[in-house]
Amino acid sequence: QVQLQESGPGLVKPSQTLSLTCAVSGGSISSGVYYWSWIRQHPGKGLEWIGYIYYSGSTYYNPSLKSRLTISVDTSKNQFSLKMTSVTAADTALYYCARGYDTSGYYGANWFDPWGQGTLVTVSS
Amino acid sequence: QSALTQPASVSGSPGQSITISCTGTSSDVGGYNYVSWYQQHPGKAPKLMIYDVNDRPSGVSNRFSGSKSGNTASLTISGLQAEDEADYYCSTYTSSSNNVVFGGGTKLTVL
Repeated sequence: QVQLQESGPGLVKPSQTLSLTCAVSGGSISSGVYYWSWIRQHPGKGLEWIGYIYYSGSTYYNPSLKSRLTISVDTSKNQFSLKMTSVTAADTALYYCARGYDTSGYYGANWFDPWGQGTLVTVSS
Repeated sequence: QSALTQPASVSGSPGQSITISCTGTSSDVGGYNYVSWYQQHPGKAPKLMIYDVNDRPSGVSNRFSGSKSGNTASLTISGLQAEDEADYYCSTYTSSSNNVVFGGGTKLTVL
């Protein structure tokens, strides 16, 4: 079964770039019609969709974060990555990667399974 | 503020049934049959429990069921068990911003 594992720095300074990687095991990232996704959870709060990359390479971002985001995929390493620029304390959160699936075949991923265990990123000087 | 509205908390006794609501608009919950529900235990990653309003992934107990009426979706858990105590989140596609939205989450307490 597919498993996802996030990795990256746990501490990022304000105004710098947050970089995370999600390693996919148990299946190929380039097979199937999945949306490789990033979702975050602020401390004690709910979930916020960040964005995803389709297996074809097309990317889709949350409009509120779009200007600061880049999601990319490295098929040779079977992993995908998130870069978020100009971070502030408001970006402190638990970041999850997940595999998304589009039931509609048109609107993009509408459910996510499985999820990684999450990685906490703190933005502080 | 979350795009989808959920009650902050619900509770029930073992063996009872509870329902968690998720209210949106015609641009999200009401417009598409793509509501999903996630269970999150403390310190754990969310787990998919229901997708496409009322479909259960393999391995999820049939005590969990989903439904939708108008702009409100619901998750029902029957025969409550202590292990069901967790946070529950709904999610769906929204055409208003062409992306995914989540509810604010509901804390289920099993008394």
